[in-house]
Amino acid sequence: NAGVTQTPKFRILKIGQSMTLQCTQDMNHNYMYWYRQDPGMGLKLIYYSVGAGITDKGEVPNGYNVSRSTTEDFPLRLELAAPSQTSVYFCASRTGTGDASGANVLTFGAGSRLTVL
Amino acid sequence: AQSVTQLDSQVPVFEEAPVELRCNYSSSVSVYLFWYVQYPNQGLQLLLKYLSGSTLVESINGFEAEFNKSQTSFHLRKPSVHISDTAEYFCAVISRGNSSASKIIFGSGTRLSIRP
Repeated sequence: NAGVTQTPKFRILKIGQSMTLQCTQDMNHNYMYWYRQDPGMGLKLIYYSVGAGITDKGEVPNGYNVSRSTTEDFPLRLELAAPSQTSVYFCASRTGTGDASGANVLTFGAGSRLTVL
Repeated sequence: AQSVTQLDSQVPVFEEAPVELRCNYSSSVSVYLFWYVQYPNQGLQLLLKYLSGSTLVESINGFEAEFNKSQTSFHLRKPSVHISDTAEYFCAVISRGNSSASKIIFGSGTRLSIRP
């Protein structure tokens, strides 16, 4: 049981390049999330998905796109990389809503450190 | 929309001293509340959660947090800290029962540093 797997762990991009951060979970979780973490800013929600085929914007979606074609995968795409997108990106998932213990607890990936020069 | 405020960006304490990390939230509906911990160079992991029932919740490593609805707070406390508690701590909130229930919003984090 691998949990949430993110690739790559590190990447350096040039301004204007595009790339996709991959996220896969093997826990059959319905909900998946992308956050970015910047020093002193905590985690900001970029996009989230409540199930295959359904995505929605979070707090800071500009410059990013997502898709959710399967339950397992939730890739994050940067179309035109900018220095402001230098950050650590975390993917996370959970089963769903309600009071059931564990349903609302996020499982995080190990993170992807992206530098845009 | 819900929001989370962690007033202290850094908290330095001596080993075996007590500590309190503050968290206040804003939401127009009832909430679920969480504390996550991030050890150096790692991802986040759950420390403790409030879903319903008793307002005082505890973790396995001696931390506790109390949900205070009237003050919209969920402060994290530990009576005696250890060097191994050095980490960054994040408070998070989910608003229950409406369209925002899908979002999990985090505070800006509090870096706890323990001095020997």
